[in-house]
Amino acid sequence: DGGITQSPKYLFRKEGQNVTLSCEQNLNHDAMYWYRQDPGQGLRLIYYSQIVNDFQKGDIAEGYSVSREKKESFPLTVTSAQKNPTAFYLCATEGGYGYTFGSGTRLTVV
Amino acid sequence: QQPVQSPQAVILREGEDAVINCSSSKALYSVHWYRQKHGEAPVFLMILLKGGEQKGHDKISASFNEKKQQSSLYLTASQLSYSGTYFCGTENDDTNAGKSTFGDGTTLTVKP
Repeated sequence: DGGITQSPKYLFRKEGQNVTLSCEQNLNHDAMYWYRQDPGQGLRLIYYSQIVNDFQKGDIAEGYSVSREKKESFPLTVTSAQKNPTAFYLCATEGGYGYTFGSGTRLTVV
Repeated sequence: QQPVQSPQAVILREGEDAVINCSSSKALYSVHWYRQKHGEAPVFLMILLKGGEQKGHDKISASFNEKKQQSSLYLTASQLSYSGTYFCGTENDDTNAGKSTFGDGTTLTVKP
């Protein structure tokens, strides 16, 4: 079955630590996105990529970094510069007919 | 520009109808709708493109009013399974291709 795999499902980060969230897709979609969702709020765009080796900042890119070396993979690194990283992170692809979302990673700072 | 959804929350009894609105301050190119259950990923419901007016399947349908820069999601004869948060995502005419902005969501609770 085609879909998006995000891992891990839960992640705990210590202060000052960088962590990387994985997103893999087998839908053969060119466009991939990272969104952040805080409790009771909507989705805010962090980064997006429409083609391999190219990506653009979204509305809240500060403290995050991404890479797109393969069509299937779009990992997100939450750096120590992100002061309030506790949130639900969603990866998505877009194939011309709406977005398909992964099951998300819940990141907590401890 | 983030679309504005209304109402923020609605509570229904099974079998009742609901309307959720999504408004943009800019001309719309497309609107897409999603439902998210608590702790899960949003699930795609439907997409409406500029030039199209209404779409639907089963008891969930949506309209697209270009003049009003607005889309509405209609849920008829609601079922318990309809409970969740509904989001609209919009692409405006002058938005970079493929970059959508989402509203803050409308929480729908259907009670027996």
